[in-house]
Amino acid sequence: QVQVEQSGAEVEKPGASVKLSCKAFGDTFTDHWIHWVRQAPAQGLEWVGMINPSLGSTTFSQRVPGRVALTRDPSTSTVYLHLYSLRSEDTAMYYCVYSKNSDNSGAPDYWGPGTLVTVSS
Amino acid sequence: QSVLAQPPSASGTPGQRVTISCSGITSNIGSHTLTWYQQLPGTTPKLLIYSANQRPSGVPDRFSGSLSGTSASLAISGLQSEDEADYYCAAWNDRLNARVFGGGTTLTVL
Repeated sequence: QVQVEQSGAEVEKPGASVKLSCKAFGDTFTDHWIHWVRQAPAQGLEWVGMINPSLGSTTFSQRVPGRVALTRDPSTSTVYLHLYSLRSEDTAMYYCVYSKNSDNSGAPDYWGPGTLVTVSS
Repeated sequence: QSVLAQPPSASGTPGQRVTISCSGITSNIGSHTLTWYQQLPGTTPKLLIYSANQRPSGVPDRFSGSLSGTSASLAISGLQSEDEADYYCAAWNDRLNARVFGGGTTLTVL
């Protein structure tokens, strides 16, 4: 079984930056992908992007502004979502999702509990 | 605007069978990537179906997924009050090189 841990809630002012962390434990595959999905208050789910922690390769949604980056620390098996120049519309729950494949096919995925990011002056 | 279209709401009575549709399954959408999630109020989405019709361990067999043409469906039989939740479909879009979600369907158990 795979368990996914995420960092705690963040409250930031507009224009600030934030770094969210995610780490998978348990029966993990050597090669896997970490997807990020966000959900604004009372809204649906939106895919943000993904990273292969082994290769460091990333893919982002075209709908996500260029203020987002994904990095990883292989020594701790932790991945990070960076959000820059925060705006009120970035206020959302950000979920980290562990997946065997980049297209989420062929196997179950595992969701972290989410990190709430609130952007407010 | 979601690439995958879901009805905004659905309803049923206890014991009934209900289906939720997810349309827009084009050649760009890999049917083997089709996934269904259940989100209870205030909780993390829970995986119900992956690869269009596969149930992870722990998901009751009351939940089933299917594909027909350009539409996928999630069926819930023996509806229970605890099934009241939001349901989302998702899939990988090869043309967009992105994962796409439906807008979600709110299921009400009357």
